[in-house]
Amino acid sequence: GQNIDQPTEMTATEGAIVQINCTYQTSGFNGLFWYQQHAGEAPTFLSYNVLDGLEEKGRFSSFLSRSKGYSYLLLKELQMKDSASYLCAVMDSNYQLIWGAGTKLIIKP
Amino acid sequence: GAVVSQHPSWVICKSGTSVKIECRSLDFQATTMFWYRQFPKQSLMLMATSNEGSKATYEQGVEKDKFLINHASLTLSTLTVTSAHPEDSSFYICSARASGGRETQYFGPGTRLLVL
Repeated sequence: GQNIDQPTEMTATEGAIVQINCTYQTSGFNGLFWYQQHAGEAPTFLSYNVLDGLEEKGRFSSFLSRSKGYSYLLLKELQMKDSASYLCAVMDSNYQLIWGAGTKLIIKP
Repeated sequence: GAVVSQHPSWVICKSGTSVKIECRSLDFQATTMFWYRQFPKQSLMLMATSNEGSKATYEQGVEKDKFLINHASLTLSTLTVTSAHPEDSSFYICSARASGGRETQYFGPGTRLLVL
């Protein structure tokens, strides 16, 4: 079967750095997406990785290792507004997105 | 990023009535649109995938006669919840993807449905 695993909840301090991990097992791979979802709102696109390595975009970076079936989202200089759920999703061989359950990130002052 | 709109953002209706939700891609042509449902504190659940001009593909457990999907143009898809019941109350979110299959899905803002 196909599955995406990510921690249910993480807590971090304002100004710090946090890494949210995602491991996957899917039938085929056509890229991995990270989305941010604030409570009561729809997800917004953060990043897309299809090749191994680190993609940096401002305070957010995303890393992919296809051989390990592993990705992480790195958030630097955390702000209170970063409190949200972070969803990992993998596009399989049929170009369908397989979604993780999301990681709820709690930022404390 | 690309812009996807949804209308209405909120709807309250009586049990037994039908509700139509529109999803529009505003600045790109969406070959494929997706409809999701999300209950409070739960993850996204894909309901169906629709390709322009063809019938939608429904996920297992989703009643196609209850959730009617029409993707009549490259910028518009509609979801109609027929004979709505209180258990259909949820957050309905559409997303759109441009042609090519590898393109990112962009989400609409969602529609909150409350069935009394």
